[in-house]
Amino acid sequence: DAMVIQNPRYQVTQFGKPVTLSCSQTLNHNVMYWYQQKSSQAPKLLFHYYDKDFNNEADTPDNFQSRRPNTSFCFLDIRSPGLGDAAMYLCATARNGVRETQYFGPGTRLLVL
Amino acid sequence: AQKVTQAQTEISVVEKEDVTLDCVYETRDTTYYLFWYKQPPSGELVFLIRRNSFDEQNEISGRYSWNFQKSTSSFNFTITASQVVDSAVYFCALSQPDNDMRFGAGTRLTVKP
Repeated sequence: DAMVIQNPRYQVTQFGKPVTLSCSQTLNHNVMYWYQQKSSQAPKLLFHYYDKDFNNEADTPDNFQSRRPNTSFCFLDIRSPGLGDAAMYLCATARNGVRETQYFGPGTRLLVL
Repeated sequence: AQKVTQAQTEISVVEKEDVTLDCVYETRDTTYYLFWYKQPPSGELVFLIRRNSFDEQNEISGRYSWNFQKSTSSFNFTITASQVVDSAVYFCALSQPDNDMRFGAGTRLTVKP
């Protein structure tokens, strides 16, 4: 089945220690999104790639970076995680743009010690 | 301005009851897209429905139905004969051609046996 895969499902890191979350998709969608979702809140868009074009949200901290080496994979790098970065990180894909439905992966829950 | 309001933070019902989740949106565009997603305790956001602004037809899918009314800027979601497996957080979302998807705050539905 075509799907969005996120690894790992749970990630524990230490304060200030860089961490990378990964997302892959078999849908061959052009757009990949990264959202941050804190407890009892709505998902908050961090950035997205339309093909190779990177689009950063204005209020996304510089601490968060992303890479998309090919159509199938997208990575979220947190350079120096703080306690406030503990959250669920959701990856989503869409065929083309905002007109299209976004399909989400299962998420990676990040714990910062 | 683009905004989605889900006024009901939490709803609790007993199994087999019908329940309606409210969604009110604000937009200045005539073209826009509305979505409902379900987020069970596992964390994955599951797509339920997408509607564009030019299609006001109501939709029924099994026990789920959606009532889209442009006159009141509402896109309400009804679950008929609720089941325990319907327990989840439900998000309504809005996207426009030049803006990324915006989620409402979500409604936590608890269905008790």
